[in-house]
Amino acid sequence: EVQLVESGGGLVKPGGSLRLSCAASGFTFSSYSMNWVRQAPGKGLEWVSSISSNSNYIYYADSVKGRFTISRDNAKNSLYLQMNSLRAGDTALYYCARDSVTPRFDPWGQGTLVTVSS
Amino acid sequence: QSALTQPASVSGSPGQSITISCTGTSGDVGGYNYVSWYQQHPGKAPKLMIYEVNNRPSGVSNRFSGSKSDNTASLTISGLQAEDEADYYCSSYTSRSTVVFGGGTKLTVL
Repeated sequence: EVQLVESGGGLVKPGGSLRLSCAASGFTFSSYSMNWVRQAPGKGLEWVSSISSNSNYIYYADSVKGRFTISRDNAKNSLYLQMNSLRAGDTALYYCARDSVTPRFDPWGQGTLVTVSS
Repeated sequence: QSALTQPASVSGSPGQSITISCTGTSGDVGGYNYVSWYQQHPGKAPKLMIYEVNNRPSGVSNRFSGSKSDNTASLTISGLQAEDEADYYCSSYTSRSTVVFGGGTKLTVL
């Protein structure tokens, strides 16, 4: 069974940092691009970042560019999101999602909640 | 990148059909056949329902279908069922190699 499990969320003060992880299982992780998508409480989905299977191609939403860094460790079947200079507007449930040959997110993890507040 | 435009809400009675629109630009919806649709029930992760405009993943009911004309994509659900009540989001690949989502549409089954 394909499974994605996020972790690392929590409460952090504005300006602080947090590192999210996504553990993948049930598929050949090194063959797929991966993404982070977030959802603020009661709001819609917002794509955050993507990374290709070999980490050669990395893209970010304008809202996080320069503050967030996506990475992966194919040997550990893991995806990461390093989040720096966090703002209140970054408060959201962060999902990792597998990409495919063509852009689509399937499946998604259950999400990890990041709360930025003083 | 501005979000794609979806109606905030739609509703229909059991057995009826509804259509949700998703309007973008030539730089996203209109420029690529990479429109996807996701269903999200309260407290759950999104689920892929349609990809590449009109393709259904294995296991998704054929009551769900997608289409696209110019800069607007559409999701149609036929034979509405109570379990279809959820939020629906469209997404599109963009000319900047990013992805943009719609604002989401709440479907109410009356």
